[in-house]
Amino acid sequence: DQQVKQNSPSLSVQEGRISILNCDYTNSMFDYFLWYKKYPAEGPTFLISISSIKDKNEDGRFTVFLNKSAKHLSLHIVPSQPGDSAVYFCAASDGTGNQFYFGTGTSLTVIP
Amino acid sequence: DVKVTQSSRYLVKRTGEKVFLECVQDMDHENMFWYRQDPGLGLRLIYFSYDVKMKEKGDIPEGYSVSREKKERFSLILESASTNQTSMYLCASSSGQRQQYFGPGTRLTVT
Repeated sequence: DQQVKQNSPSLSVQEGRISILNCDYTNSMFDYFLWYKKYPAEGPTFLISISSIKDKNEDGRFTVFLNKSAKHLSLHIVPSQPGDSAVYFCAASDGTGNQFYFGTGTSLTVIP
Repeated sequence: DVKVTQSSRYLVKRTGEKVFLECVQDMDHENMFWYRQDPGLGLRLIYFSYDVKMKEKGDIPEGYSVSREKKERFSLILESASTNQTSMYLCASSSGQRQQYFGPGTRLTVT
């Protein structure tokens, strides 16, 4: 059973606007969450993370929000740029660091 | 910079062949992972290893085996390749709970 879910397979946004990518999880033992970005024919690259003791983490144009009660996290990209067009994966770890659980990905297209 | 390298970017093999995919990391990470990525299915964990000679099954280990004889190297073996193993294979490494670093991937086609 998928423990990390990304229910939107794709998202299109105009350049300069906000992109919001969503992720839900089911396991309350998850205590560390990450977002990865993946271009075609390349491996995923780390984007931003958040610990369960926080509800927000910001890094430049990227902000991750965590709502533990709803078991939901989101990635905000402001302003969106054409170079942000990629597949974004949400991932979670249960604290052991030995295993990470990935969502199915959301393909973001930023339209110039 | 952390570097994770994979032995091949593209590979074409025939059904029934034994296939070796190799992964090397240069950051002395304890943990190494093999995933496959398929459209609509995301990244699925095949095997991981948290120490030399240690291995743990992931979500989809059937048809695969692994070997970790040295800390920096983690090999994925397809004992008898089948067409349903055509996929993108991604290797990753990590230290503790911190982020994983991924290699560039190997696009394997089994005909």
